[in-house]
Amino acid sequence: ETGVTQTPRHLVMGMTNKKSLKCEQHLGHNAMYWYKQSAKKPLELMFVYSLEERVENNSVPSRFSPECPNSSHLFLHLHTLQPEDSALYLCASSQVANYEQYFGPGTRLTVT
Amino acid sequence: KQEVTQIPAALSVPEGENLVLNCSFTDSAIYNLQWFRQDPGKGLTSLLLIQSSQREQTSGRLNASLDKSSGRSTLYIAASQPGDSATYLCAGNYGQNFVFGPGTRLSVLP
Repeated sequence: ETGVTQTPRHLVMGMTNKKSLKCEQHLGHNAMYWYKQSAKKPLELMFVYSLEERVENNSVPSRFSPECPNSSHLFLHLHTLQPEDSALYLCASSQVANYEQYFGPGTRLTVT
Repeated sequence: KQEVTQIPAALSVPEGENLVLNCSFTDSAIYNLQWFRQDPGKGLTSLLLIQSSQREQTSGRLNASLDKSSGRSTLYIAASQPGDSATYLCAGNYGQNFVFGPGTRLSVLP
């Protein structure tokens, strides 16, 4: 595997379900990011982990819970989501030194 | 508030034309600016990164410029091809915070 990978690529879940999104980077980076991309809206930065410490949490509802167990892996745990949470969730990574971001292919989430 | 805008929202050109996409940012204390392309339903592909100390970067047919004082960046695409059709996004980096523009949807017609 190369670059940034995300699994699953598609996910359909009910509002009472609990699921997790996974991101893995194979670039030797030390910062990782979660973004939400909704139709007709710019990308929204959700969470930032730098050197495995969470450094940014942009007013994201608590039904989204990130986890970064090491510098290569990032998770987004989901529970009791709302239909308006349906979106493309993108993971990215970078080196803290230059912040040049590389993105994964995204997980298309549909909440029913 | 840090905001990034992009003009035009959509652009359609015949193959072979040179074109310019525009990106404006409200906060000039930018660390760097990055241009991406996104194909429908896919992730973002990095095109060019310009550090705040640089004026421009080039990669193949692409050239990006940065003018911090005016809060503007442009992406110049030379000799456009149908394969260039995609949405182009610019993002301002302010340390740990990244602010994206809404994108310009480009269609290059054969």
